[in-house]
Amino acid sequence: DVKVTQSSRYLVKRTGEKVFLECVQDMDHENMFWYRQDPGLGLRLIYFSYDVKMKEKGDIPEGYSVSREKKERFSLILESASTNQTSMYLCASSLSGQGNTEAFFGQGTRLTVV
Amino acid sequence: GNSVTQMEGPVTLSEEAFLTINCTYTATGYPSLFWYVQYPGEGLQLLLKATKADDKGSNKGFEATYRKETTSFHLEKGSVQVSDSAVYFCALSDRGYQKVTFGTGTKLQVIP
Repeated sequence: DVKVTQSSRYLVKRTGEKVFLECVQDMDHENMFWYRQDPGLGLRLIYFSYDVKMKEKGDIPEGYSVSREKKERFSLILESASTNQTSMYLCASSLSGQGNTEAFFGQGTRLTVV
Repeated sequence: GNSVTQMEGPVTLSEEAFLTINCTYTATGYPSLFWYVQYPGEGLQLLLKATKADDKGSNKGFEATYRKETTSFHLEKGSVQVSDSAVYFCALSDRGYQKVTFGTGTKLQVIP
């Protein structure tokens, strides 16, 4: 069974903390993505990676960074957490192809910054 | 840039009613189109997809047809069930770029 696993379902962090969200996929997918999901705004792409050590900014990269040292793992880093980063974070992966491949999602991490 | 517009929810239907959720898109070239579903407390999962004009995607009684002339990909189901209650996302993928753009989601609630 294909799987994308996010390290935490729920996280509570303090303003100013450095936060790491981890995502691991077991499907040998080239592409990995981080989205945040907010009511009324749908899913917005933060960063994506199409290969190890490669990354591209998405639509809302400000305040975030990413790391992909191994093919199966894609980390999202909040350098200094702020309350406006309270959200649901979703990781996804997909095969490289002609843009017609399915994205597989993790269960999500609900992050609250207090 | 690419964008997806879908009808605002929530949509509330009685069991066995007909469902339509509208979705239109803006994209350069020939994107692939998707519908994803998110059940409560879960991540998104693919419901159906279509990769070229006039293709029809179908799954679990849901259907959507890729209409290039109207840039639309409306989701339909003839008879909804309570178990279909979820949030539905329309999405497109740029062929060369792998990036998926999502709509804002439509929450469907089916009542017995």
